[in-house]
Amino acid sequence: EVQLEESGGGLVQPGGSLRLSCTGSGFTFGDYAMTWVRQAPGKGLEWVGLFRSRLYGGTIEYAASVKGRFTISRDNSNSIAYLQMNSLKTEDTAMYYCSRGLTVPGAKYWLDPWGQGTLVTVSS
Amino acid sequence: DIQMTQSPPTLSASVGDRVTITCRASQSISSWLAWYQQKPGKAPKLLIYQASNLESGVPSRFSGSGSGTEFTLTISSLQPDDFATYYCQHYSSFPLTFGGGTKVEIK
Repeated sequence: EVQLEESGGGLVQPGGSLRLSCTGSGFTFGDYAMTWVRQAPGKGLEWVGLFRSRLYGGTIEYAASVKGRFTISRDNSNSIAYLQMNSLKTEDTAMYYCSRGLTVPGAKYWLDPWGQGTLVTVSS
Repeated sequence: DIQMTQSPPTLSASVGDRVTITCRASQSISSWLAWYQQKPGKAPKLLIYQASNLESGVPSRFSGSGSGTEFTLTISSLQPDDFATYYCQHYSSFPLTFGGGTKVEIK
């Protein structure tokens, strides 16, 4: 069974940093893109960023709202994706989900499955 | 950026009803559209990809259609387990964007 599990969330002050982890199992981790999506309390889904698989160049895309502050990385040997979040703002408060990105030629990525999420609260 | 607009934001329906949710893209996205279901306190779950392909294990009462800029998710006969919020997502280009969601409530 394909599974993803996030960890690392918590309470952090504005301007602080936090690193989230996403551990995958049940699939060949390095063959897939890994994505982060967030959801502010009571709000909709916002894509944060994506790390392509080595098969597709291993490049990274970010949403404009986090570019320059957040960094996605991955450790394929241990099946872990990371989201390093710096210069955090109160508006970054959200549940953060990781998901596996699926694609076909000509398209970008749809997302399946999703982890259970980890909550990040940015507050003084 | 491609904007995704879902309607209605909220939908009240009864068990057994046929339910249709609409998702419109601000420009053509071909058939590069997915639908997700999210229940309170849970992660989203993939229902449909490439506009009309049913994900394995998803009940056949769910179906998707459309191409270009207009898409629909239909539940042919609403079941108690279907009361949830539904999101569309385009994957035509970066940034990936989601619709604002449609909450399906019990009438």
